[in-house]
Amino acid sequence: NAGVTQTPKFQVLKTGQSMTLQCAQDMNHEYMSWYRQDPGMGLRLIHYSVGAGITDQGEVPNGYNVSRSTTEDFPLRLLSAAPSQTSVYFCASSPGDSNSPLHFGNGTRLTVT
Amino acid sequence: DQQVKQNSPSLSVQEGRISILNCDYTNSMFDYFLWYKKYPAEGPTFLISISSIKDKNEDGRFTVFLNKSAKHLSLHIVPSQPGDSAVYFCAAFQYNFNKFYFGSGTKLNVKP
Repeated sequence: NAGVTQTPKFQVLKTGQSMTLQCAQDMNHEYMSWYRQDPGMGLRLIHYSVGAGITDQGEVPNGYNVSRSTTEDFPLRLLSAAPSQTSVYFCASSPGDSNSPLHFGNGTRLTVT
Repeated sequence: DQQVKQNSPSLSVQEGRISILNCDYTNSMFDYFLWYKKYPAEGPTFLISISSIKDKNEDGRFTVFLNKSAKHLSLHIVPSQPGDSAVYFCAAFQYNFNKFYFGSGTKLNVKP
């Protein structure tokens, strides 16, 4: 029972490099989302998707792109990494119906030097 | 501007006693509230939730109370156990906007 799988677990980037954080879920959830966790800031929503082909911005979308070509996958792309993007990133999914909680992956710890 | 706030960064409680974690929110249109528990190096895990039409929901040792007039949510853990030591996040969801908003978390330490 995999749930929400995030890869990689750790990543170090240099300023200006690009990369994609992968997220996959095997629960047939319609709703998927990306959060970043920073000390004292809690979890802040970056982007979310209510179904394949549909994405929308959260609270802190700048510097990140997403796409949702399948129900299972929701990759997060950093086009040109900056030190301010050093954070722990969590992907989460839910069935999308009312009163359904989010299920989280175990996170990706990203450091940008 | 944070819509969900947890004003206590940390809380220390003796094993067997009650832990009370608090959360305030600013948006009266939130429909659904949740509590998550997070251990280091893991993702948050869902603990308990409550609909905005209710004022209490109980699940074993965990009870969530909702006071809509005060825009206040609390989580009671009775009795507290050392394994409850973790960071607790409260969250709120608004159906029309399909967004979950999280507080900054409270680190609970339950001392044996």
